[in-house]
Formats: sequence, structure tokens, C-alpha cells
Amino acid sequence: SQTIHQWPATLVQPVGSPLSLECTVEGTSNPNLYWYRQAAGRGLQLLFYSVGIGQISSEVPQNLSASRPQDRQFILSSKKLLLSDSGFYLCAWSVLGGGANEQFFGPGTRLTVL
Amino acid sequence: AQSVTQLGSHVSVSEGALVLLRCNYSSSVPPYLFWYVQYPNQGLQLLLKYTTGATLVKGINGFEAEFKKSETSFHLTKPSAHMSDAAEYFCAVTVTGNQFYFGTGTSLTVIP
Repeated sequence: SQTIHQWPATLVQPVGSPLSLECTVEGTSNPNLYWYRQAAGRGLQLLFYSVGIGQISSEVPQNLSASRPQDRQFILSSKKLLLSDSGFYLCAWSVLGGGANEQFFGPGTRLTVL
Repeated sequence: AQSVTQLGSHVSVSEGALVLLRCNYSSSVPPYLFWYVQYPNQGLQLLLKYTTGATLVKGINGFEAEFKKSETSFHLTKPSAHMSDAAEYFCAVTVTGNQFYFGTGTSLTVIP
């Protein structure tokens, strides 16, 4: 069966510090991968998605970036965090070109920027 | 492009009462529709999905939803609310399976 991991689970970082969140998927190959953010009391905001290694689409211009160095690894980064980067970050995967197949979500990372 | 609108960011029901969470979609081609549930500080979990065929879809935890093309709706219902149903619910749509579009979510409170 497939599983998706995210770490760390929680993170407290000062403004201006760098960020690296990691997501890995097991039990599937060539997945679509996604990063979402949930700000407090708000819905899901798609940040990035990837259909393959090195292929990243950015949905929202901001100080975050994403990379996919391996087929089942998706990394969210920032060089300098802003207060507005606080939120709950969710990684998800779906079957490549999957049509009716749903997304599967990781457990999330709670980021607090102080 | 596709989009989803969830009417009512907060819904409160009494325990044992009917749960109705509303979702309307916009799509120029036949969509695939999903309902997810999110408990505090957790990821999203699939409740049910509509692909093709039967328009009444049954999911986990006693939830079901009906796809109504004429009304562009996919409302989520449950006949009798339990305390454990208190959570955030998201409706989502896709046509390609690559990009998904989520509603802003509905927070369900169950009153004992």
C-alpha cells in the first residue's frame, strides 16, 4: 500500500531564517506531487505541483520554492521566512494522469514563524 | 478552468440531526468530484468521490453525496450527526486528475 510522509511535524522558526520541508511517498511510482498551505481558518492554497522529476509548476508567486530531486521526494524551501509564511503545510500525491483518482494527503507540518 | 464553491463556512447541527454541506462546482467538461474531511492538525482524508455512473455516491462514516448536473451541485449529507463528525469538510473538483481545485471548506460543529 501507499504511504506519504512529511517532516517535521511541527516547526518554529524566526523571521528571516531558511526553511526546508520534506515529503516522501512510498508504494507508488511516477506520482503527481503537490504542496498546499492552509492559513488559520482558511482553505487550501495550492503552492506547487509536479508531474515528474525536476518539473515544478508554481501556482502562487512568493518567497517559497519547491524541488523534486527524486521521483517520490518533494521538498518545499525558503531562503528567508516571512511572518505570513506561518500555516499548516500539506503534501499530497495522486496518480500521474489519473483522471478519476483522488489525491492522498500527508499528515502535515505546522509552521510558526515568529 | 474549474472551481468549487462551498456555501456556509460554518455549519452547526444537533447530534442526531441531518447533516447537509453544500458544494457547487463550475466546469465546462464532465468533472470528477470529491469530498474530504480534515480533523484538527491532520491531513485530509477522502470521504467519497464521484467519477461516472451512479449519481448517488456513498462514502465512509455514513456520508453520501449526490451529483446533480442540472444544478451543478454535489452536496454532502448524513442522516444522523455524531459528535465524531465535527471536523472541516472540503469539496474538490478535477477534470484531468493532475490539477485539483478545492473549496474554502466548511467547519461542522455537532451540538450535544
